[in-house]
Amino acid sequence: DAGVIQSPRHEVTEMGQEVTLRCKPISGHDYLFWYRQTMMRGLELLIYFNNNVPIDDSGMPEDRFSAKMPNASFSTLKIQPSEPRDSAVYFCASSPTRGRGHFDGYTFGSGTRLTVV
Amino acid sequence: GDSVTQMEGPVTLSEEAFLTINCTYTATGYPSLFWYVQYPGEGLQLLLKATKADDKGSNKGFEATYRKETTSFHLEKGSVQVSDSAVYFCALGLGRGGYNKLIFGAGTRLAVHP
Repeated sequence: DAGVIQSPRHEVTEMGQEVTLRCKPISGHDYLFWYRQTMMRGLELLIYFNNNVPIDDSGMPEDRFSAKMPNASFSTLKIQPSEPRDSAVYFCASSPTRGRGHFDGYTFGSGTRLTVV
Repeated sequence: GDSVTQMEGPVTLSEEAFLTINCTYTATGYPSLFWYVQYPGEGLQLLLKATKADDKGSNKGFEATYRKETTSFHLEKGSVQVSDSAVYFCALGLGRGGYNKLIFGAGTRLAVHP
């Protein structure tokens, strides 16, 4: 398997523009997670899906952020309008359902580095 | 609540030095414990794990033992290399009705100099 695939790797956009980040999870993984990483706040869980359904979006910072998972192989994180403080690395991760003794953690993508100027 | 505390970095070592990165946790129930590594410009990668008390996880010369009595999972390596320079995250995994939640520590940056 090619792992979790994110695109683009880097995105530079102007303040006020819409930004869409994309993720393809590992086939067969029924959990998908979106994280944001910054120097100031570290790694933050934004939202996660189970079987394409959003389960917990309490980490989404504002209404400007939205996430969708239209099918098992694709998810998007959209920021509209973008602001400079949204600059961060955004990671997607996926995981299969496993019993406790068989849980191998999450598999992360390489991330999208977003810069809003 | 459930949480993970790691030693603050950066940790700076010379090549071939001994490494310890401390990790302690607070959790209800019986968590699994993980160490992840993040190399510059990359995502987090699973380094090792342990699922129950006294288990030792090991990989690439790194090891950590699940100590329930001290609620700790310290990462060790006998002789570090420059290529080990990265950020290391301790995490605990809690099962909740089929959903395995990972709670991460803040990360510890390791810099190894020749």
